[in-house]
Amino acid sequence: DTAVSQTPKYLVTQMGNDKSIKCEQNLGHDTMYWYKQDSKKFLKIMFSYNNKELIINETVPNRFSPKSPDKAHLNLHINSLELGDSAVYFCASSQAGPLRGQYFGPGTRLTVT
Amino acid sequence: KQEVTQIPAALSVPEGENLVLNCSFTDSAIYNLQWFRQDPGKGLTSLLLIQSSQREQTSGRLNASLDKSSGRSTLYIAASQPGDSATYLCAVYGSEKLVFGKGTKLTVNP
Repeated sequence: DTAVSQTPKYLVTQMGNDKSIKCEQNLGHDTMYWYKQDSKKFLKIMFSYNNKELIINETVPNRFSPKSPDKAHLNLHINSLELGDSAVYFCASSQAGPLRGQYFGPGTRLTVT
Repeated sequence: KQEVTQIPAALSVPEGENLVLNCSFTDSAIYNLQWFRQDPGKGLTSLLLIQSSQREQTSGRLNASLDKSSGRSTLYIAASQPGDSATYLCAVYGSEKLVFGKGTKLTVNP
């Protein structure tokens, strides 16, 4: 059983389009995250949600809007895509609190042309 | 602002060698430190999680140590195998988020 799943795995789109990436976790975790891994492979947090509430927003352009319909899902919607948005986006989840590790999804490779 | 540095950036060793990967962080106010493995084109696999109150964790051929006061962690891999080839990422948890290093790309040659 996949613990943290993301769809789609690959996404190729043109500049200016709007796209969404979906994430689901079946671990019963309270907290979910979105990370961006750039072309230099540097992984950086974008957002975190705890029980559907936004906890962290790391100076991400407001073209990026996370949405958490329930505790098990955290989707990422991106408006007006730019070339610089091309990256691999990872979803992760964890139990609330600092004592637990994070579990990552397989990633979504977004290419903006 | 927390910064995590991993040295070396890349490492190539012959099969069977024992090796050490290094991670340092600037702010010792962390709750835990996590080592991950990332294979090309794949997600992250958690290898070891060390709480701030612990000194080390072991899993199979892997041993991770943590010296919070000096801001250092090491990942020791014993008897390396070609299947260990991957990028190893260190991340520290503090202020409700994980901060990652840029990773060490390990190649184990048969």
